[in-house]
Amino acid sequence: AQSVTQPDIHITVSEGASLELRCNYSYGATPYLFWYVQSPGQGLQLLLKYFSGDTLVQGIKGFEAEFKRSQSSFNLRKPSVHWSDAAEYFCAVGPAIGDQGGKLIFGQGTELSVKP
Amino acid sequence: DGGITQSPKYLFRKEGQNVTLSCEQNLNHDAMYWYRQDPGQGLRLIYYSQIVNDFQKGDIAEGYSVSREKKESFPLTVTSAQKNPTAFYLCASSISQVGALSGANVLTFGAGSRLTVL
Repeated sequence: AQSVTQPDIHITVSEGASLELRCNYSYGATPYLFWYVQSPGQGLQLLLKYFSGDTLVQGIKGFEAEFKRSQSSFNLRKPSVHWSDAAEYFCAVGPAIGDQGGKLIFGQGTELSVKP
Repeated sequence: DGGITQSPKYLFRKEGQNVTLSCEQNLNHDAMYWYRQDPGQGLRLIYYSQIVNDFQKGDIAEGYSVSREKKESFPLTVTSAQKNPTAFYLCASSISQVGALSGANVLTFGAGSRLTVL
């Protein structure tokens, strides 16, 4: 079955500390992977995506993620968290081109709180 | 600026009523989607449409209906058959899948509509 698991429902980090949000997926074909961020009561904004090539991808707002095929993981990292990073983060996996459109499968989300 | 506009942002419904959520995009995207978001459950796909006058059911289509008469518009109707409609609804769009490369499957989201059943 196709699925995305974000093991941490809620994470709290201190401002300036490093961050790693975990994402594991189960997918039958070559996955296309995404991280989105959502502020309260708002839509989702794309942070970064992985289609192919270099397994370390850079995104907006200083975020990066590393694709590890052997571990079926796509963890999100940031070296130094800012208070404005407090939000909910979603990992998603999607089909290759030509398959069923943009039917992304989303994880349950990880809520990030930032302590001053 | 191009984007997706959802309205209304907040909507209250009495039991037994149908309500329609609006979604309009000016991104010239071919594909549009409706997702439902509940706390702790991520996003679940309700319906999607890859071309005008055509749409497919997602994972939780029961109790919902859609239409796609124009490229720019993809309204969602929450019918009285939906037993638990209170949720946050998100509309999204993406470029056509056919022949697309780096833009494939990159969803652009609207700001959402929160529906509450009284």
